[in-house]
Amino acid sequence: GEDVEQSLFLSVREGDSSVINCTYTDSSSTYLYWYKQEPGAGLQLLTYIFSNMDMKQDQRLTVLLNKKDKHLSLRIADTQTGDSAIYFCAEITGNQGGKLIFGQGTELSVKP
Amino acid sequence: SQTIHQWPATLVQPVGSPLSLECTVEGTSNPNLYWYRQAAGRGLQLLFYSVGIGQISSEVPQNLSASRPQDRQFILSSKKLLLSDSGFYLCAWRRGQIPYYEQYFGPGTRLTVT
Repeated sequence: GEDVEQSLFLSVREGDSSVINCTYTDSSSTYLYWYKQEPGAGLQLLTYIFSNMDMKQDQRLTVLLNKKDKHLSLRIADTQTGDSAIYFCAEITGNQGGKLIFGQGTELSVKP
Repeated sequence: SQTIHQWPATLVQPVGSPLSLECTVEGTSNPNLYWYRQAAGRGLQLLFYSVGIGQISSEVPQNLSASRPQDRQFILSSKKLLLSDSGFYLCAWRRGQIPYYEQYFGPGTRLTVT
């Protein structure tokens, strides 16, 4: 079945770049998403990428997609303490009516 | 612009009591709406989704039910809460059509069953 996997934790220093990785299994996914969840809050859609793209850049965020390896990454440049949150990767499944399948989330901790 | 509201923000309920959580969306009509539960382990579990008034699809059989009495209102209910119903409940709406869409989440309701 469809599955999305992420490492659970990442710790970086303020000002460094953060790279959060994700692997997925459904090769028919059309969109892949990154969501951010701050403590006690809902999920905020950060960015998404079409499956026919390799890269998407939006200010400090860069999304890279390797369809061959089914690997998605989110790079945050000049990471700030306000970037500390849980980041979820998600894909649209080709089956199950196009539902979103989420990874378990990567908790990013930014140290000053 | 579209806004999604959920209330209450937090709720503490005893085992066996009923539950009603509400979600409303502004700024769009006939949205597809979703209820998710996020347990302590972070994973998001899709509970219900609705494509229109009175139309509910259940993803996981359990102690909960959902209703959509109005176009932009989605309600999650239970007749008798269990301890295992504790969690963070998130409502979401969809913009766009399958397979090209975005899903936006509300602020969530933290439910603690004691």
